[in-house]
Amino acid sequence: AQSVAQPEDQVNVAEGNPLTVKCTYSVSGNPYLFWYVQYPNRGLQFLLKYITGDNLVKGSYGFEAEFNKSQTSFHLKKPSALVSDSALYFCAVRDYGSYIPTFGRGTSLIVHP
Amino acid sequence: NAGVMQNPRHLVRRRGQEARLRCSPMKGHSHVYWYRQLPEEGLKFMVYLQKENIIDESGMPKERFSAEFPKEGPSILRIQQVVRGDSAAYFCASSPPPGTGAIIAYFGPGTRLTVL
Repeated sequence: AQSVAQPEDQVNVAEGNPLTVKCTYSVSGNPYLFWYVQYPNRGLQFLLKYITGDNLVKGSYGFEAEFNKSQTSFHLKKPSALVSDSALYFCAVRDYGSYIPTFGRGTSLIVHP
Repeated sequence: NAGVMQNPRHLVRRRGQEARLRCSPMKGHSHVYWYRQLPEEGLKFMVYLQKENIIDESGMPKERFSAEFPKEGPSILRIQQVVRGDSAAYFCASSPPPGTGAIIAYFGPGTRLTVL
């Protein structure tokens, strides 16, 4: 079985400050990990993925995520937040042996001017 | 290169009517997922299909819900005798065939179903 936990329903950060959105996962084998962003009344947009290799993955719009196998985490980060980053962020996991991504409940990121 | 298309974007039905949601995958994608998004619940997997075959329907409710992906035309999610609890956003995603190395699922804009 595979699962994802996003422990924070909401993250608030001031514009220009670094941001972190947390994600932990559980899989029986090795994971594929993903971050998506959803703006109001829109579909999910792919941000970045981890398959193998470097633990730090860089994605769209200046976002990056760090894979930590020992802590089974894949936190999303950005060095300097923008107001336009305000959106709903979803972490997803897929076990190597599965074709179905499982999504977390989502974290609402609010960046204050 | 057009992305995943879904229609209608908004659908209003009265209790007891049928809802049909359509999804056209990205060009070159042969596999389709359907997810449902309810407030405060995130995205829930419903069904995974390829043309003319349901691969995994473990997330589909046992009654009133069905999905198909015919040889020609879009994938369709069908909800019979809708109830108010079916009100949600339904998202389709598409991907290339498994084993091609391309593992990202690309999402459409969603269909927002409201049941009166």
